[in-house]
Amino acid sequence: AQSVTQLDSHVSVSEGTPVLLRCNYSSSYSPSLFWYVQHPNKGLQLLLKYTSAATLVKGINGFEAEFKKSETSFHLTKPSAHMSDAAEYFCVVSDPNQAGTALIFGKGTTLSVSS
Amino acid sequence: EAGVAQSPRYKIIEKRQSVAFWCNPISGHATLYWYQQILGQGPKLLIQFQNNGVVDDSQLPKDRFSAERLKGVDSTLKIQPAKLEDSAVYLCASSLIGSDRGYGYTFGSGTRLTVV
Repeated sequence: AQSVTQLDSHVSVSEGTPVLLRCNYSSSYSPSLFWYVQHPNKGLQLLLKYTSAATLVKGINGFEAEFKKSETSFHLTKPSAHMSDAAEYFCVVSDPNQAGTALIFGKGTTLSVSS
Repeated sequence: EAGVAQSPRYKIIEKRQSVAFWCNPISGHATLYWYQQILGQGPKLLIQFQNNGVVDDSQLPKDRFSAERLKGVDSTLKIQPAKLEDSAVYLCASSLIGSDRGYGYTFGSGTRLTVV
């Protein structure tokens, strides 16, 4: 069975400082990994995805994540936080079942950005 | 292209009542998913369709939840009777290819259900 663990339920940063959201995964398959963002009362938006090509994945809005197989981690980073980054972030692994693919979500990390 | 459409956006019902949600996926997307997102948690898969067939409904509480996608396009999710713990956002998603390891998902905005 596959799963993801988001190590922090809440992260607070100041505007202009780096962001680090931590995620560890467990998978018996070669995983597909994703980060999604959910702003209040908005739908889920894909930030980036790991496709077994480059281990450093660049996404939208300046976010990136690095796949580290030895550490089973897929942490999300951004060099400089912006107020608009305040949202809920989900680390996600796909579960390639017999005939289709479902996404397995972590519990989420709330990112707060202060001025 | 138009996104995944869901209705209604909000619904408040009393416990033991029934409720139905509707989802229209992106045109041409063969795979449709219903997720339940309880406040403070990540979304959890309820059921997955490939065209009009069920691929995975292992986490669907079948004593009260049902879903159908009769013509392989739009889908309805029903709860009957509702319980307080069913209060959640119900998300619909679709993807072009079901076995693509999770690529190409598009989520709808969800239906927020409150059971009182």
